[in-house]
Amino acid sequence: SAVISQKPSRDICQRGTSLTIQCQVDSQVTMMFWYRQQPGQSLTLIATANQGSEATYESGFVIDKFPISRPNLTFSTLTVSNMSPEDSSIYLCSGGARGNEQFFGPGTRLTVL
Amino acid sequence: GESVGLHLPTLSVQEGDNSIINCAYSNSASDYFIWYKQESGKGPQFIIDIRSNMDKRQGQRVTVLLNKTVKHLSLQIAATQPGDSAVYFCAENMNFNKFYFGSGTKLNVKP
Repeated sequence: SAVISQKPSRDICQRGTSLTIQCQVDSQVTMMFWYRQQPGQSLTLIATANQGSEATYESGFVIDKFPISRPNLTFSTLTVSNMSPEDSSIYLCSGGARGNEQFFGPGTRLTVL
Repeated sequence: GESVGLHLPTLSVQEGDNSIINCAYSNSASDYFIWYKQESGKGPQFIIDIRSNMDKRQGQRVTVLLNKTVKHLSLQIAATQPGDSAVYFCAENMNFNKFYFGSGTKLNVKP
């Protein structure tokens, strides 16, 4: 299994600003993903964080809005850029071996005013 | 993304009874499925998984059934306990790639 931590755990931000969320895994993992979860709803995949290359984004998500870095096999960041109240959500990262279960971090609760 | 849905958004059961949570998936090429449990304020927690070459898998108090013919997945929880109260999600995976999540079922266990 993998233990995943995220920072910050929560934040309140002003519209128009950007927030970078960090995701740290306690072991090397092949795959890392970023999800968004609106309160009371399911998880929506934002992108696959690729080590050493550009992330692969799902339909409806773009790099300019959600730039992602993954410099190595244990760390990734997601930036929520030029935030609006509609970006208020829980952001979750996951990691694991390719073709196996993904483990999740505790999430980052973002509120945009 | 892929479409993975659930039949029952909320399920209430009596403590000690068995629970069955259902999930329908849309992509017949999906070959790996996971059930997750999410408690309030926490990230999803892995419960059990199953690959498409199986139709049943058992864990501790949990059983997952896969019916590929009708693209249906179910999670059975035996002797449901108050600690089982949470939201349950199924997730599907294809070609060892990314996971797509269903809409979730909230399980309420009544003492």
